Amino acid sequence: NAGVTQTPKFQVLKTGQSMTLQCAQDMNHEYMSWYRQDPGMGLRLIHYSVGAGITDQGEVPNGYNVSRSTTEDFPLRLLSAAPSQTSVYFCASSYSPARNTEAFFGQGTRLTVV
Amino acid sequence: AQKITQTQPGMFVQEKEAVTLDCTYDTSDQSYGLFWYKQPSSGEMIFLIYQGSYDEQNATEGRYSLNFQKARKSANLVISASQLGDSAMYFCAMREVSGGYNKLIFGAGTRLAVHP
Repeated sequence: NAGVTQTPKFQVLKTGQSMTLQCAQDMNHEYMSWYRQDPGMGLRLIHYSVGAGITDQGEVPNGYNVSRSTTEDFPLRLLSAAPSQTSVYFCASSYSPARNTEAFFGQGTRLTVV
Repeated sequence: AQKITQTQPGMFVQEKEAVTLDCTYDTSDQSYGLFWYKQPSSGEMIFLIYQGSYDEQNATEGRYSLNFQKARKSANLVISASQLGDSAMYFCAMREVSGGYNKLIFGAGTRLAVHP
């Protein structure tokens, strides 16, 4: 059972570089989201999607782009990496955006921007 | 204003004892969901328990129970008979409806250490 798969698990970027964090789920979930986790701040929502072709901003969207061309995939793009984007990134999916269902999380991507 | 407050940055408990992790929340919605997640040192987020705002009974899942006090807006996690493997970060989260869609809002977490 794959669940939610994130790649890569670790990444080091130089300031100004761009990259894409990949997220894929095989549970046919409509709702997918990206969070970042920083010490003492819990997880904060970056962007989310309620279905293919529909995305919206979360709490901390600046510096990130997303797209949702298929139900399975929800990549997160860093346009021009900054040291402030050093964090652990989690992708999550849920069966429906309209239900109180739990979110399934990927293993996380630890990103360091130098 | 903080939506989810976990006032205990760190807790410790003796093995086999019970421990309560505090969580208070702030919302004006009538319908919401409250969740607890465990994050061990390996980093993954593990769903533990869910409580709906209209649920009259407190949720239970094995050794985990949620002490839901709606009037006080608190949703404390109780772990009974603690085990060494319970040592982890614990996050309280709430589903909030915004723009017609719901989102998970997380607290800052509580680090639990279980001592033998």
